Amino acid sequence: QVQLQESGPGLVKPSQTLSLTCTVSGGSITSGGYYWTWIRQHPGKGLEWIGYIYYSGSTYYNPSLKSRFTISIDTSMNQFSLKLSSVTAADSAVYYCVGDHGDFYYWGQGTQVTVSS
Amino acid sequence: EIVVTQSPATLSLSPGERATLSCRASQSVSSHLAWYQQKPGQAPRLLMYDTSKRASGIPARFSGSGSGTDFTLTISSLEPEDFGVYYCQHRTNWPPALTFGGGTKVEIK
Repeated sequence: QVQLQESGPGLVKPSQTLSLTCTVSGGSITSGGYYWTWIRQHPGKGLEWIGYIYYSGSTYYNPSLKSRFTISIDTSMNQFSLKLSSVTAADSAVYYCVGDHGDFYYWGQGTQVTVSS
Repeated sequence: EIVVTQSPATLSLSPGERATLSCRASQSVSSHLAWYQQKPGQAPRLLMYDTSKRASGIPARFSGSGSGTDFTLTISSLEPEDFGVYYCQHRTNWPPALTFGGGTKVEIK
């Protein structure tokens, strides 16, 4: 069974770039049919879909979000990543990586990110 | 853009009671509708996918139904561990984008 694990700094300073990595185990990230996805959840709020990357490198982002997000993939490491530039306190949230298989979803446990000086 | 709305916002019930959670889309959608349960400090747990299919390990007291714009998650008889926040999620066919409802909190009455 596919498992995902987020990693990255828990604390980021305002205006800096947040970088998170998701390591996929139990299967190859190049397996067809998976959209490797990032989702975030602000404190006490609902779930917000950020976007995805396919193993080919194609990406798609939530058009409702400003274009500060970049998702990339490293097939040699079986990882995909999220970068968020120019962070503010409003970007403080739990960030989840998800394997979207179209009809089934595998979630990481989430990583808390706090933006503060 | 599809908007997904859940109701009620809060459901106060006792163990043993039946829970009916609603998820409504702003336009007719595919059957790619999923339901999650989330407890404090935990990641969402997939309960149902493709509207009515139970994920691995999910008890039979959970069931999903619906089509078009209206979908329902039913818990036939609430157990103490069923309390938490429930989210529905729709996935468009192309591009595959996810939209979540705002959640329904199921609490002990």
